[in-house]
Order: sequence, then C-alpha cells, then structure tokens
Amino acid sequence: QVQLVESGGGVVQPGRSLRLSCAASGFTFSSNGMHWVRQAPGKGLEWVAVIWYDGSEEYYVDSVKGRFTISRDNSKNTLYLQMNSLRAEDTAVYYCARDQNGPFDRWGQGTLVTVSS
Amino acid sequence: DVVMTQSPLSLPVTLGQPASISCRSSQSLVYSDGNTYLSWFQQRPGQSPRRLIYKVSNRDSGVPDRFSGSGSGTDFTLKISRVEAEDVGVYYCMQGTHWPPFTFGPGTKVDIK
Repeated sequence: QVQLVESGGGVVQPGRSLRLSCAASGFTFSSNGMHWVRQAPGKGLEWVAVIWYDGSEEYYVDSVKGRFTISRDNSKNTLYLQMNSLRAEDTAVYYCARDQNGPFDRWGQGTLVTVSS
Repeated sequence: DVVMTQSPLSLPVTLGQPASISCRSSQSLVYSDGNTYLSWFQQRPGQSPRRLIYKVSNRDSGVPDRFSGSGSGTDFTLKISRVEAEDVGVYYCMQGTHWPPFTFGPGTKVDIK
C-alpha cells in the first residue's frame, strides 16, 4: 500500500536551517509529482511547493521562495525540503503529498517544525 | 491568487441526517482542458488530511458513497447523505486550476449535535 513517511522535523532557532525528508513506498515514486503542504498549529492547510516527477520543474508559494528548496532522489524514493532562514511563521506540521489524478491524493503523517529561540 | 471561501465554517449535525458544505472560488475553476480542478479533503481530529473528491465529483478509492461533490464554475458543494460519527472533522475545498499557488478554503468544522 502507498506509504509516505516524513522525518527531520524538530525545534530550530530563527535564521537556522532544517531539511525534511519523505520516504515513499508502495507506488512508482518516479512517476508522480510530489508536494509539501504545511499546517500551522490550529490553522488550515497551506501548499508550500511542488516538484515534477523527474525533478525538472519546481514551484513555491511566495512566502518561501528563495528560502526553501524542494528536491527528490528517485533512486532512493525520497522527497526533500531544504528550509533555510527559518522564521517563527514557518512553524507548522509539514506533510508530503502525492500528485495522482490531481494534487494531494495521498498524504504522510506529517513532521512538526518549531521555529523558536 | 484564487481565494477559496467556505460556508458554514462550523456545522453541527445530527447522526443519520444529511449535511452540506458550500465552497466558492474568486474566479472560475474551469481549466483550458475543460476540466475543473476542485477537490475536497477531510481531516479527522489528530489525523492527516485525506482526499475525498477530485475534479468536482469524482470520489477517491475507498471513500463511502454517502459523500458526493457537485458544482461548476465558482460554486461547489460537498454533501454527506447521512452523517456518521466517523465523519466528524474539518473539511477543506482546494483549487488546482490556477496555480501556483494551490489554494485551500478555510475549512468547515463538522461535529455532532
């Protein structure tokens, strides 16, 4: 069955960096676009970034452009989110999600990132 | 960016009764290919979101047939024909036509009266 397992979250000081990972299994990872979506505590869902199935294109929400980078390693069935210059407002649960028959058909369990001094 | 609105934001329901959530977009969600990329998601308490409906009215695998989606252009509806206890949670609509960014509605909290 399809599984997406995020890791790499934690507590980090403002201005520092963190890299999230999402290990995929149960489907042909290299055939699907992949997304990161976040949810601040007690808030709604916010799309963060998408990467094409082959890594050839990527897009970001304006608030993270220039600070976050989405990437993938299809040989390892793994999606990444490199987060630099973190701010308090980046505090959220970060989910990876697959794109099949449209965006976000399957989600991981999420990993919590807390940006605090 | 396309703004998604939902109503109501809170929906107390009676078990076994129908429920309906409205979603509106700030511009038409009809894409140049003729499809309308409007999806619905359910987030049960303490869980990750789950997609229920894609392209307005297509149910995802494993989604009970008491859930149905309808609408066109800028106005969309999610209906639950008979609410069950497991349907408690927050429901989000999302547009995937005019991206980036993909945008979600604010969410509708469904609970039992």
